[in-house]
Amino acid sequence: GQQLNQSPQSMFIQEGEDVSMNCTSSSIFNTWLWYKQDPGEGPVLLIALYKAGELTSNGRLTAQFGITRKDSFLNISASIPSDVGIYFCAGQLGSGGSNYKLTFGKGTLLTVNP
Amino acid sequence: DTGVSQDPRHKITKRGQNVTFRCDPISEHNRLYWYRQTLGQGPEFLTYFQNEAQLEKSRLLSDRFSAERPKGSFSTLEIQRTEQGDSAMYLCASSGTGKRYEQFFGPGTRLTVL
Repeated sequence: GQQLNQSPQSMFIQEGEDVSMNCTSSSIFNTWLWYKQDPGEGPVLLIALYKAGELTSNGRLTAQFGITRKDSFLNISASIPSDVGIYFCAGQLGSGGSNYKLTFGKGTLLTVNP
Repeated sequence: DTGVSQDPRHKITKRGQNVTFRCDPISEHNRLYWYRQTLGQGPEFLTYFQNEAQLEKSRLLSDRFSAERPKGSFSTLEIQRTEQGDSAMYLCASSGTGKRYEQFFGPGTRLTVL
């Protein structure tokens, strides 16, 4: 099935550094969501975006919904060791029928060196 | 704990056996979703319920797979005559019916088919 293009595939950074990752799609979405997944666990919702151009923060995390509705990015500022994990973007059309399902990227593996 | 729960967390079975997984959504959520995740990939949509009605099934859901949500609360996913290719993490998510469609995931069931 369709998957979003997420980059980079992996990142290895030093504690305290800022991180940026993005997600692109060939088709538009009306909602973008960012999740974090730890090994052996389910994804945990970090941020949800509902409007093109929207910029939303959650603590050290900031995400933006691209104006074209075909992309989104996530920034993490001042990374800490517990930020380690796999970050997934997901798009959703919303508004009825099959549009509620989420389409996911392949994830960005983040490693933080203390 | 009022989050999404799944049981069992791990299942090891022999090829050809039937397996059944259970998902209990967040209590006030009437939409429930099943996804499958293989190593190195993002979750892929399998099927979706609104209350007890199954409204969409992915092409990934072969005839050996069946899902039910008999009373609009918990859901079960059954795989008959399991194959090695069915080995994956099976994730359940739930969401409400407001304008915002955030999906919250359970911890998943890891299936290994020998």
